[in-house]
Amino acid sequence: GIQVEQSPPDLILQEGANSTLRCNFSDSVNNLQWFHQNPWGQLINLFYIPSGTKQNGRLSATTVATERYSLLYISSSQTTDSGVYFCAVERPLDSNYQLIWGAGTKLIIKP
Amino acid sequence: DGGITQSPKYLFRKEGQNVTLSCEQNLNHDAMYWYRQDPGQGLRLIYYSQIVNDFQKGDIAEGYSVSREKKESFPLTVTSAQKNPTAFYLCASGHGGGTEAFFGQGTRLTVV
Repeated sequence: GIQVEQSPPDLILQEGANSTLRCNFSDSVNNLQWFHQNPWGQLINLFYIPSGTKQNGRLSATTVATERYSLLYISSSQTTDSGVYFCAVERPLDSNYQLIWGAGTKLIIKP
Repeated sequence: DGGITQSPKYLFRKEGQNVTLSCEQNLNHDAMYWYRQDPGQGLRLIYYSQIVNDFQKGDIAEGYSVSREKKESFPLTVTSAQKNPTAFYLCASGHGGGTEAFFGQGTRLTVV
């Protein structure tokens, strides 16, 4: 099956710093999503990005499907950015939509 | 407001008891999903449903059961056969077929 690997597993930064989170996947995928899980457990949709680049405020994401990776950029980090960032991909050629999840990157932003 | 509502937020269960977690959505989504998350881990799929009156097992369905009698509702029952039920349970919905999935706030289940 598809393997999804996220790096780094942990990241500690000072407020105001920029960061890049990476998601590698082992096979072609139909779709890819980035989520932020806040300290209370809520999963928040960040990007639905099977290919190309999208931006939303201080966050942006790029997926290069042909090279099987996606990057999430966070600029000018704030303490509220802390939490776990997950990427999830859809199994290809599957008649039933299922997401395959990476293990996440735990981000801590220090004031 | 449209969204996905899970209840209760916290749930305590005695060993040997069945408990049911509620998931309701008013987004008119066809597909609904249940995931389990253990501390420090990613999400694992328990069950999913693409349409009413139909559902499929995910990767860790043993000890769980679901029903999908209405489009809006997808309750999950954690049975006494689930040997290690303490976990965070997340419900999601979407239009299916590779479209974006959205999550509820989760239910934290603890066996006492």
